[in-house]
Amino acid sequence: QVQLQESGPGLVKPSETLSLTCTVSGGSISSYFWSWIRQPPGKGLEWIGYIYTSGSTNYNPSLRSRVTISVDTSKNQFSLRLSSVTAADTAMYYCARHENSAAGDFDYWGQGTLVTVSS
Amino acid sequence: QSVLTQPPSVSGAPGQRVTISCTGSSSNIGAGYDVHWYQQLPGTAPKLLIYVNSIRPSGVPDRFSGSKSGTSASLAITGLQAEDEADYYCQSYDSSLSGHVFGTGTKVTVL
Repeated sequence: QVQLQESGPGLVKPSETLSLTCTVSGGSISSYFWSWIRQPPGKGLEWIGYIYTSGSTNYNPSLRSRVTISVDTSKNQFSLRLSSVTAADTAMYYCARHENSAAGDFDYWGQGTLVTVSS
Repeated sequence: QSVLTQPPSVSGAPGQRVTISCTGSSSNIGAGYDVHWYQQLPGTAPKLLIYVNSIRPSGVPDRFSGSKSGTSASLAITGLQAEDEADYYCQSYDSSLSGHVFGTGTKVTVL
């Protein structure tokens, strides 16, 4: 059974960089697309971007200038960096696996990690 | 930034049937991209409920069904149960944005 676990600081100061890692267990990270998705408190879901295990990426246009997603296949991990954060970036951040294509559904999700942007 | 529109809330008595609509456009659902549905129970991560418009993953009760037509999709819950009280989101891919889009979300309340 594939499991995903997000990790990283729960508090980030405004203008700094948010960094999270998703560790995949119970299966290989290879040959799949992996996404980051966030949900501000009380609001809906927003796709941030995805990466394929070859390293190719695709980002939400609204966040593209501030987002970097990378992968470390040797550790079965992929990571998110979001720069110049503001209070609007406060959200629950989820990592998720694409079932079988870049444009497909997300079949496995992490439990999520809450990141608060505050001084 | 949601480009898929859902009703904010729907409600029904136990045993009733409710439907949730997901309205998109010619760059996402209307372009032929599949629609997927997620159930989010309070305080938990979303869970895949329906994929590729109408397919239920293993373990999802057959009370849940999905359909797609034109630029819209629908999720139906028949025989509504108290445990179905949750938020539901549709999801697709958008060619104009070159990325994934989610619906605005619908809260289902069991009366």
